[in-house]
Amino acid sequence: NAGVMQNPRHLVRRRGQEARLRCSPMKGHSHVYWYRQLPEEGLKFMVYLQKENIIDESGMPKERFSAEFPKEGPSILRIQQVVRGDSAAYFCASSLGLMETQYFGPGTRLLVL
Amino acid sequence: AQRVTQPEKLLSVFKGAPVELKCNYSYSGSPELFWYVQYSRQRLQLLLRHISRESIKGFTADLNKGETSFHLKKPFAQEEDSAMYYCALSGSGAGSYQLTFGKGTKLSVIP
Repeated sequence: NAGVMQNPRHLVRRRGQEARLRCSPMKGHSHVYWYRQLPEEGLKFMVYLQKENIIDESGMPKERFSAEFPKEGPSILRIQQVVRGDSAAYFCASSLGLMETQYFGPGTRLLVL
Repeated sequence: AQRVTQPEKLLSVFKGAPVELKCNYSYSGSPELFWYVQYSRQRLQLLLRHISRESIKGFTADLNKGETSFHLKKPFAQEEDSAMYYCALSGSGAGSYQLTFGKGTKLSVIP
């Protein structure tokens, strides 16, 4: 099992561009979580998704950020019109069930110039 | 609101010395506590969770509800223990899947 996969590992965007971050959960996992880690901070929960459903997006900024987990393919975290404050590491995790251990991907480091 | 505090940003110990990484939490209900570790150039991985009451790689952690602490301990540090350690909490009830992380402590074991 390859574990949770995230790509790209590093992403550079200029202010105003769009960033798309992809996450493929572990095989058999249908629960996906996104976390953001700002510099010098701990990981902060953003959103929890199951296949085709957003269960909890309470940690996600209301504007410019969206997430999806389609029936086929990876989960996508999309950030429109990026600003410098979006520069961070974005981690995806997946679990087999709701209260099961969350396994983390390697993260995507987003740098907004 | 739930909060996790790791007071030490960096901890350096000599090989063979005891290690204690501190973690304090704030939560009104019954939390579940975790320690995650991130070795250099590797992904974040679960080290242990308090409900398991197990020892992993020689590390143990006991939940102290009176002091609201979940300190990570190891009697004899090894060089391969050098890593970033994060304490995390999940609550009970709705939203219990949300992990709240501390800022992390970087452990450096000096040969």
